[in-house]
Amino acid sequence: DTEVTQTPKHLVMGMTNKKSLKCEQHMGHRAMYWYKQKAKKPPELMFVYSYEKLSINESVPSRFSPECPNSSLLNLHLHALQPEDSALYLCASSQGRQGGGGIYGYTFGSGTRLTVV
Amino acid sequence: AQSVTQLDSHVSVSEGTPVLLRCNYSSSYSPSLFWYVQHPNKGLQLLLKYTSAATLVKGINGFEAEFKKSETSFHLTKPSAHMSDAAEYFCVVSATNFGNEKLTFGTGTRLTIIP
Repeated sequence: DTEVTQTPKHLVMGMTNKKSLKCEQHMGHRAMYWYKQKAKKPPELMFVYSYEKLSINESVPSRFSPECPNSSLLNLHLHALQPEDSALYLCASSQGRQGGGGIYGYTFGSGTRLTVV
Repeated sequence: AQSVTQLDSHVSVSEGTPVLLRCNYSSSYSPSLFWYVQHPNKGLQLLLKYTSAATLVKGINGFEAEFKKSETSFHLTKPSAHMSDAAEYFCVVSATNFGNEKLTFGTGTRLTIIP
């Protein structure tokens, strides 16, 4: 298995809702990432997990809450989002600890298209 | 500090003609460089990567890129464009500083293929 699987592919949520995005990989990668991508822009890093521990939080608002329950799974919990949070949310993974991606490359999922209404 | 500049926001070529997407980088450390492609409403797919081995890197779908340290460039080329190449392309630099690795994305180049 050489894929990063993200679910759901599309999500529409109200500003008072609580929802979660899920990311799964079975490549044995020990670093996992959340990126946010607005239309016609490059992805922006949100969070990095290395060996299931949060190693980077790029000053993301607390309405986004990441979780890494095990080495294969990464969640992003969403609560009280704003319409400007509508974007494509991409998950990625890389081999080894954080820092391995520069050598081995990063594998990205297809993303979750989030619309906040 | 590191940065990536993609010199063209939009490139149009005719099907069957060569493709050139330009990328310049700056990095305080020995960089790893990548090209990713993103088709509409899709995730990012790795085309190729440079990690201080051969300076001419071959990737998938007939793409290749040449790392030129003296010019700080990593341009992406393909001899003959195909309609399926129409997509957004991102040049990405990765550098590690004190164990913290960070990817820096270029702003992207939209490639249009004219039938």
